[in-house]
Amino acid sequence: ETGVTQTPRHLVMGMTNKKSLKCEQHLGHNAMYWYKQSAKKPLELMFVYSLEERVENNSVPSRFSPECPNSSHLFLHLHTLQPEDSALYLCASSPGTGSSYEQYFGPGTRLTVT
Amino acid sequence: GQQLNQSPQSMFIQEGEDVSMNCTSSSIFNTWLWYKQDPGEGPVLLIALYKAGELTSNGRLTAQFGITRKDSFLNISASIPSDVGIYFCAGHPWDSSNTGKLIFGQGTTLQVKP
Repeated sequence: ETGVTQTPRHLVMGMTNKKSLKCEQHLGHNAMYWYKQSAKKPLELMFVYSLEERVENNSVPSRFSPECPNSSHLFLHLHTLQPEDSALYLCASSPGTGSSYEQYFGPGTRLTVT
Repeated sequence: GQQLNQSPQSMFIQEGEDVSMNCTSSSIFNTWLWYKQDPGEGPVLLIALYKAGELTSNGRLTAQFGITRKDSFLNISASIPSDVGIYFCAGHPWDSSNTGKLIFGQGTTLQVKP
């Protein structure tokens, strides 16, 4: 595996379900990010982790809960979502905050909340 | 919050034509990045710019970091059908803390007619 991988690629869940999105980076980077991409909107930054520590939470509702157990893995735990949360969720990594700002994205998880 | 104005919003061109798009900001950036996103996939980094006035090429793509540090341009020469997709600019604000947070443009949708 190379680059940034995300699983699952597609997810359909009901509003009462609990699910998790997984991201893994094989680039040796120190920073990881979650973004939400909705139709006709710019990318929305959700969370930033640097060296496994959360450094930014962009006023994201508590029904989204991130977890970064190590610098290679990032999870997004989902609980009691709303239909408007349906979107493409993208994970990205970069060498490290304060270093290069180039971010490398995974393929995304297409989430549909019914 | 800070915003990037990316234009045009969409383009429909003939194969072989050249393409230009740009991003402008009201504040100074120290990094400009250009990405391409294919349907159902994550954005792929095309070009990274780090110095005012810098001109960088990647095959048929050329991007420039504006000398005012508030804008950037992407040109595609001799377009081909596989150039179809959404192109995003992204920038790192000069006065930002080192969280690595990028500001993204709204995207330019490019369609190429064979």
